[in-house]
Amino acid sequence: TQLLEQSPQFLSIQEGENLTVYCNSSSVFSSLQWYRQEPGEGPVLLVTVVTGGEVKKLKRLTFQFGDARKDSSLHITAAQPGDTGLYLCAGSGAGSYQLTFGKGTKLSVIP
Amino acid sequence: DVKVTQSSRYLVKRTGEKVFLECVQDMDHENMFWYRQDPGLGLRLIYFSYDVKMKEKGDIPEGYSVSREKKERFSLILESASTNQTSMYLCASRGVTDHYEQYFGPGTRLTVT
Repeated sequence: TQLLEQSPQFLSIQEGENLTVYCNSSSVFSSLQWYRQEPGEGPVLLVTVVTGGEVKKLKRLTFQFGDARKDSSLHITAAQPGDTGLYLCAGSGAGSYQLTFGKGTKLSVIP
Repeated sequence: DVKVTQSSRYLVKRTGEKVFLECVQDMDHENMFWYRQDPGLGLRLIYFSYDVKMKEKGDIPEGYSVSREKKERFSLILESASTNQTSMYLCASRGVTDHYEQYFGPGTRLTVT
């Protein structure tokens, strides 16, 4: 069974601070996605990383896939209140229909 | 943009009632999924369908069934609702050409009293 561990579970920071969220596993994934979910809504796809060592940027968000494709990180620069939400990582093994989800990091950015 | 819609945002049902949750996607995706999301437990897969009339059990299928008669529509059925099925239910779809990305609907918050 593939597992994804996310840390930290909760994060409360002031506007303008930087933060990093981690997603770790002992399993290799063929791809990994990051989602953001706002309260009462469904998760929204932010990015997919596929290649080991890959780095993708989405405005102030930087996503990295580990070289061995077992872990990933999300770094937010100069966090804003609009970044508040639940961040989920999800990975898929080769040929699998299913995604393995982490339990999420709940981020609160205080103005 | 992919659009996944769910029939209700909020639903309140009584114990023992039969409950239907419907999901429709507009991107001609082959695969569709039903999850429930509970605090501390994350997203758990109930059922998924990889084609019309095809279904597979996920991690927690007990107490649920599904129906997929048309490609765009995937229904989740609670045969006899119980209070422990109070949860947020999320539908998702995926095309076979994507890197396994799933696109989610807005969710249905179901309360069983």
